Amino acid sequence: ETGVTQSPTHLIKTRGQQVTLRCSSQSGHNTVSWYQQALGQGPQFIFQYYREEENGRGNFPPRFSGLQFPNYSSELNVNALELDDSALYLCASRRTGDNSPLHFGNGTRLTVT
Amino acid sequence: GDSVTQMEGPVTLSEEAFLTINCTYTATGYPSLFWYVQYPGEGLQLLLKATKADDKGSNKGFEATYRKETTSFHLEKGSVQVSDSAVYFCALKDTGGFKTIFGAGTRLFVKA
Repeated sequence: ETGVTQSPTHLIKTRGQQVTLRCSSQSGHNTVSWYQQALGQGPQFIFQYYREEENGRGNFPPRFSGLQFPNYSSELNVNALELDDSALYLCASRRTGDNSPLHFGNGTRLTVT
Repeated sequence: GDSVTQMEGPVTLSEEAFLTINCTYTATGYPSLFWYVQYPGEGLQLLLKATKADDKGSNKGFEATYRKETTSFHLEKGSVQVSDSAVYFCALKDTGGFKTIFGAGTRLFVKA
């Protein structure tokens, strides 16, 4: 069973630029969500996708957007990067069902200079 | 809104010591509760879960009991090993909700 994979592992961008992060869900999982983890903090929920539509969003501005594809893979796009966007971005997939746990990828470390 | 509070780290223990990491939560509904662990250089992974009051989750010698009356889900292990050194996150997911809310994490160091 293939786990959640994310790319790239590290990325350095300049303030004002745009970035796209990619995620392949674990086999059999149709729900994907993205989290931002600042250094020394717990993951913060950005949004969730189910059947290619966003069905839940945390307290992040519209410049954070995403896509889910028919094969359940996903992208996170961030426009107009700010220094505070520097963080570890985690993708997580799960089966539908209230008690299904999240399966995380290893994350993409984004540094904005 | 819903939230999770866990004890600050780091926690440093000698091998074979008893471990407790405290976690309390605030939720309007009846959440499921989780402990996730992040080993050095690895992604977050589920350690254990409990879905209703008085349930006990257990895995790899770790245990946590869902206490509705004290809104707590403390993580315990009777005898820690060096390989347990990691960051531990307490988390909740509200029934019917779409997001999992995490605590800030507690780093555990176990010395040989």
